[in-house]
Amino acid sequence: KAGVTQTPRYLIKTRGQQVTLSCSPISGHRSVSWYQQTPGQGLQFLFEYFSETQRNKGNFPGRFSGRQFSNSRSEMNVSTLELGDSALYLCASSFTGTVAGSNTGELFFGEGSRLTVL
Amino acid sequence: AQKVTQAQTEISVVEKEDVTLDCVYETRDTTYYLFWYKQPPSGELVFLIRRNSFDEQNEISGRYSWNFQKSTSSFNFTITASQVVDSAVYFCALRGYGGGTASKLTFGTGTRLQVML
Repeated sequence: KAGVTQTPRYLIKTRGQQVTLSCSPISGHRSVSWYQQTPGQGLQFLFEYFSETQRNKGNFPGRFSGRQFSNSRSEMNVSTLELGDSALYLCASSFTGTVAGSNTGELFFGEGSRLTVL
Repeated sequence: AQKVTQAQTEISVVEKEDVTLDCVYETRDTTYYLFWYKQPPSGELVFLIRRNSFDEQNEISGRYSWNFQKSTSSFNFTITASQVVDSAVYFCALRGYGGGTASKLTFGTGTRLQVML
C-alpha cells in the first residue's frame, strides 16, 4: 500500500513569490492535514480537509490556503512568501471513522516538502 | 487548550542501554488520543503508537514499550537495548476525540535521541 506522497520534495523561492505544494493521501483515506515544522516553532497545525471541505484551521495568516479534490488529493498554497515561511511542510492522511463522526485513526505522514525562501 | 511537554531536548546513550522518553500532557477533554512519532533525518514522521484515554493498559512492541498514566497525565516511551537505528527525533502528540476542531494533533517539541556505538 503506497504511503503519503508529497511533491515537490525540495524547492527554493524568493520573497514575494507564491508556492503550491501537493499531497496524495493513502488510498482510502479521506482526511488530509497539513503541518508546518520549523526549528523555532516546532510542528504546527495548518489545516485539515475532509471530503473537500476545510474542517479545521490553525493560527496562520490568510496567505496560507489549501484545498482538497474529489479524489482526496490536497494542495496547499502560500502567497507572498516571507523568509519566515521557510520550513518543512508535512502532509498527513487518515481514515476517518464513522463513530459519531469521530476521527479515530492515526495520522500517516509524508516525507514533506522542504521550502526555502531567499 | 491542549499542551504537550517533552522536557528532554536531547538524550545520548550508548548502544544497548535502555532509554525512557518523557511526555506530559494537558487537556480538558475527557476522551482523547495520545501518539508517539519518530522522525528520522529523512523528515517523515513515522507513526509508532496510538493510545486511547480510556485504555490505560501499557503496551509492549518488541523493544518498545509505553507507560500511560492518566493520574499523572504522562505517556512515557521506553526503548530497551537501544540501537544506532533508533537515533532520531521522537515526538509525543495529543488529539481530541471527534471531528471538527478535535481533529488536529498538538505536538511536543520533540526529544532528539542519539545512540552511540
